[in-house]
Amino acid sequence: QVQLMQSGAEVKKPGASVRVSCRASGFTFSTSTINWVRQAPGQGLEWMGWISGYNGFAKSAQTFLDRVTMTSDSSTGTAYLELRSLRSDDTAIYFCAREGDCGSPSCPYDYWGQGTLVTVSS
Amino acid sequence: DIVMTQSPPSLAVSLGDRATVNCKSSQSVFHSSNNKNYIAWYQQKPGQPPKLLISWASARESGVPDRFSGSGSGTDFTLTISSLQAEDVAVYYCQHYYIAPFTFGPGTTVHIK
Repeated sequence: QVQLMQSGAEVKKPGASVRVSCRASGFTFSTSTINWVRQAPGQGLEWMGWISGYNGFAKSAQTFLDRVTMTSDSSTGTAYLELRSLRSDDTAIYFCAREGDCGSPSCPYDYWGQGTLVTVSS
Repeated sequence: DIVMTQSPPSLAVSLGDRATVNCKSSQSVFHSSNNKNYIAWYQQKPGQPPKLLISWASARESGVPDRFSGSGSGTDFTLTISSLQAEDVAVYYCQHYYIAPFTFGPGTTVHIK
């Protein structure tokens, strides 16, 4: 069955970097697109960007343009999100999500990872 | 960027009654190439990731109860729960996937009156 398994919780100090992984199984990673969405405590969902499992092309939201890097390893079916220069307001649950196959260049997310809590605190 | 708004922020409904959540996009998300509206609805329960309920504004995902329905076109959309059940208590988000960034609405919390 389709699964997205994310790495464990992280605690980081302000200014540090964090890398979250998302390992896919049960589907062909190289034909999929993985999106990253975060959710601050008690808040809504914030779209961060997407990466193609086919060629590694990525696009991030303008808000994160200079601090985020999304990469993928098709040999292991894993997507990675790196966020640099962490601030306290980066404290959030970070989700990866798979775009479904809806016959369009962009599709809604039919499977989600369990989420990774990143806490930024001095 | 397309801004998504939702109303109301919170909604209290009696069991068995109808719940209606509204979503508005700052520009049309209707694509004339396929006559589709690029709107999805998600349900999120505490401690869980969101769950896709509806895509293309009105297409219910497999396994989603038929008491959930979506409607609307252009910039105005609605999620309706025809007869609220206890397990429907959750936060509901709309999202557009028309063009990046694929922004979400702020969410509507549905609870039992």
